[in-house]
Amino acid sequence: DAKTTQPNSMESNEEEPVHLPCNHSTISGTDYIHWYRQLPSQGPEYVIHGLTSNVNNRMASLAIAEDRKSSTLILHRATLRDAAVYYCILRVNTGTASKLTFGTGTRLQVTL
Amino acid sequence: KAGVTQTPRYLIKTRGQQVTLSCSPISGHRSVSWYQQTPGQGLQFLFEYFSETQRNKGNFPGRFSGRQFSNSRSEMNVSTLELGDSALYLCASSPGGSGGFSEAFFGQGTRLTVV
Repeated sequence: DAKTTQPNSMESNEEEPVHLPCNHSTISGTDYIHWYRQLPSQGPEYVIHGLTSNVNNRMASLAIAEDRKSSTLILHRATLRDAAVYYCILRVNTGTASKLTFGTGTRLQVTL
Repeated sequence: KAGVTQTPRYLIKTRGQQVTLSCSPISGHRSVSWYQQTPGQGLQFLFEYFSETQRNKGNFPGRFSGRQFSNSRSEMNVSTLELGDSALYLCASSPGGSGGFSEAFFGQGTRLTVV
């Protein structure tokens, strides 16, 4: 899987929007952009994924650059429960959890 | 429906011993993948089982092995434990089809400490 680059950490105030960036300059045409997050003492959980168009779901939005070399996960109103490590992963779509390549992720701190 | 269940949650073993960890996937899911998480190396893929067969393997020594039963439950085994095997071992469940998107559902993990 192609490599992604994310900031090590970010901070946000509660109820403010958070934009988590991810660079993936070597993305291939068949790579989807996936985001997972890992809350303290939990396994990772799926957040959102996309290919070319921006995507929205109940948890977040994913904004994908036109050249697909970068993307941004947007949490519209951060809460304390959103404090977690967020991972940006590139892979072709399969029906399996096999060989997900997790980078170091971005640790998001949310404060009152 | 019930999530991914991993047992035990915590385990302490001595160097040289062996250990078996268990994972029960979500009902109907046929693929089980295992990951090791350490502070130094992060999350690393160990192997995947699908329909009782190992379908993919990461870069881990042969001391790490696994199997899957006909009900899709999976076990992983680590023999001759080393201090460096201390980690959180995570299991992920997914339908396992060859195409289309499916999110991975992770369990809470088994925290293994080797002393």
